[in-house]
Amino acid sequence: AQTVTQSQPEMSVQEAETVTLSCTYDTSENNYYLFWYKQPPSRQMILVIRQEAYKQQNATENRFSVNFQKAAKSFSLKISDSQLGDTAMYFCAFKGGATNKLIFGTGTLLAVQP
Amino acid sequence: NAGVTQTPKFQVLKTGQSMTLQCAQDMNHEYMSWYRQDPGMGLRLIHYSVGAGITDQGEVPNGYNVSRSTTEDFPLRLLSAAPSQTSVYFCASSLGLGGSNSPLHFGNGTRLTVT
Repeated sequence: AQTVTQSQPEMSVQEAETVTLSCTYDTSENNYYLFWYKQPPSRQMILVIRQEAYKQQNATENRFSVNFQKAAKSFSLKISDSQLGDTAMYFCAFKGGATNKLIFGTGTLLAVQP
Repeated sequence: NAGVTQTPKFQVLKTGQSMTLQCAQDMNHEYMSWYRQDPGMGLRLIHYSVGAGITDQGEVPNGYNVSRSTTEDFPLRLLSAAPSQTSVYFCASSLGLGGSNSPLHFGNGTRLTVT
């Protein structure tokens, strides 16, 4: 069975600094997809970035980028130029290639300090 | 285009009461699912559906029923609420049936408290 592990329950970063959130996963599949979701205090689940396992190039969305290491089964999220609005819970999620079921990690609570 | 609509936003139940959490999407998504979110445990899949008339169990299905009579609606029923079902519930849908990078689109969640 697939599992997703986020080993950092809480993190803190100063405004304008860069922070990296860790995520590792376990799977025997070769084709799959990885996602980062953000959950601000409003409780809304917002897609931040996605990565296809067959793509070697790391995904980037504005200030958000990932470091995808397929052999190490690692999928970290880097937030550059952190803003106060980035304060949220961040969830890493895995989807196997033949299913739409999303498996989530336990989340990392990120606090951006002014 | 409303996306995924969940009702109610908040609910308090007494142990043993029943209720239905409503979920509707207007994006013509085949796949719909229900998750519960508990502190320190992330989101766990309760039930899911790959199309009208088809449902299946997720990771934590006990105490919950679902049905999918239309593509748009996917209600979650608690037949006899227990304090262990106190949680935040999310409905989510996505396009396609797998094999794609289509993300899940989430409703705004329902905070349920069972006393």
